[in-house]
Amino acid sequence: LAKTTQPISMDSYEGQEVNITCSHNNIATNDYITWYQQFPSQGPRFIIQGYKTKVTNEVASLFIPADRKSSTLSLPRVSLSDTAVYYCLVGDWGGGFKTIFGAGTRLFVKA
Amino acid sequence: TAGITQAPTSQILAAGRSMTLRCTQDMRHNAMYWYRQDLGLGLRLIHYSNTAGTTGKGEVPDGYSVSRANTDDFPLTLASAVPSQTSVYFCASSRDRGPGELFFGEGSRLTVL
Repeated sequence: LAKTTQPISMDSYEGQEVNITCSHNNIATNDYITWYQQFPSQGPRFIIQGYKTKVTNEVASLFIPADRKSSTLSLPRVSLSDTAVYYCLVGDWGGGFKTIFGAGTRLFVKA
Repeated sequence: TAGITQAPTSQILAAGRSMTLRCTQDMRHNAMYWYRQDLGLGLRLIHYSNTAGTTGKGEVPDGYSVSRANTDDFPLTLASAVPSQTSVYFCASSRDRGPGELFFGEGSRLTVL
């Protein structure tokens, strides 16, 4: 199982772009990289998933270098409502499903 | 759209008592999961089910059991609760066991005294 390492916390200001990097040195060939967002007293919510290069959706971008040993979640122009914990997951979700969420990155957006 | 429904929302339980946390999904997803979340430890997988009739152990299965009699329901049972099982429990589902989005419920907060 690929273990992930993320910064424990980050601060930002409204309107800034935020980049959260996740290290996963032992990522396997079949593994995908997925990011979730969690607000207090709520379940995590899917943000984005990718395998290699760059993936973009309406809320974020995910950058994955060629060696796939790290990934960066990019949140453009954050607002106060983006204050949350962000989790990076790595896994193939094959038979014998197992996931490791890790402690996540607590993002605090200030006015 | 209901998605994942968990019950109860919160519960205080005496040590040694049994408890079943209920989880129901209306998305007809094949795979379902139970996680526990403790402060500073993120989410840890307890048990999972790839399809109705099958279950598997996750990262922290001891003290918990699950069943998957049908597609929609995935109850988690604590046969004899201990204080270390005080946690927030999240049920989740996904369309299948391959890569894809996990859908989470709102959680069940359990306190074992």
